[in-house]
Amino acid sequence: GESVGLHLPTLSVQEGDNSIINCAYSNSASDYFIWYKQESGKGPQFIIDIRSNMDKRQGQRVTVLLNKTVKHLSLQIAATQPGDSAVYFCAENEAGNQFYFGTGTSLTVIP
Amino acid sequence: GAVVSQHPSWVICKSGTSVKIECRSLDFQATTMFWYRQFPKQSLMLMATSNEGSKATYEQGVEKDKFLINHASLTLSTLTVTSAHPEDSSFYICSARGPQKETQYFGPGTRLLVL
Repeated sequence: GESVGLHLPTLSVQEGDNSIINCAYSNSASDYFIWYKQESGKGPQFIIDIRSNMDKRQGQRVTVLLNKTVKHLSLQIAATQPGDSAVYFCAENEAGNQFYFGTGTSLTVIP
Repeated sequence: GAVVSQHPSWVICKSGTSVKIECRSLDFQATTMFWYRQFPKQSLMLMATSNEGSKATYEQGVEKDKFLINHASLTLSTLTVTSAHPEDSSFYICSARGPQKETQYFGPGTRLLVL
């Protein structure tokens, strides 16, 4: 399958700071991307998605940026809170087929 | 909307027994569900794609006779781990394609411990 990888396996940020989690994907034909948040012992939770015809999409405190030229995806979390501590996965999808997941980045928010 | 549940949340069993895990889409119909397993500090590994009314499609390296999947209705898929062994201990997560058929929504996971 295609590979989706994350640059940083762990990330620690101070409460209140902004967090940026990065993801590289390899399938240039992928046209849909999702960021998931997974807390310990729980299933992944949908955060935000973006289609390949967009460069940026904003949600509540979260922004996803897509750079198709370099096949890079990032998730920005504004004013990071302790409740944001979790593992974050990016997932890519081509034409409604199977999703491929990255290895995950563990975000720790320091109070 | 788009809520997926799993049952049980936890299961501890003896080696050699079979364990059934249920995955339900609570407020939508899901013709396609997916089963993943996840080891500690690792990503999700797709095991199989479960299609309502037809046989599941297994990923390479996943034994179909070991992990039996049944998708008998539009809201229920089951995964049965047959003759479970300690190496089958893992976190099993299901997902279902949402009403828009694109986004996947995940269940809360089932933690299996085989003694």
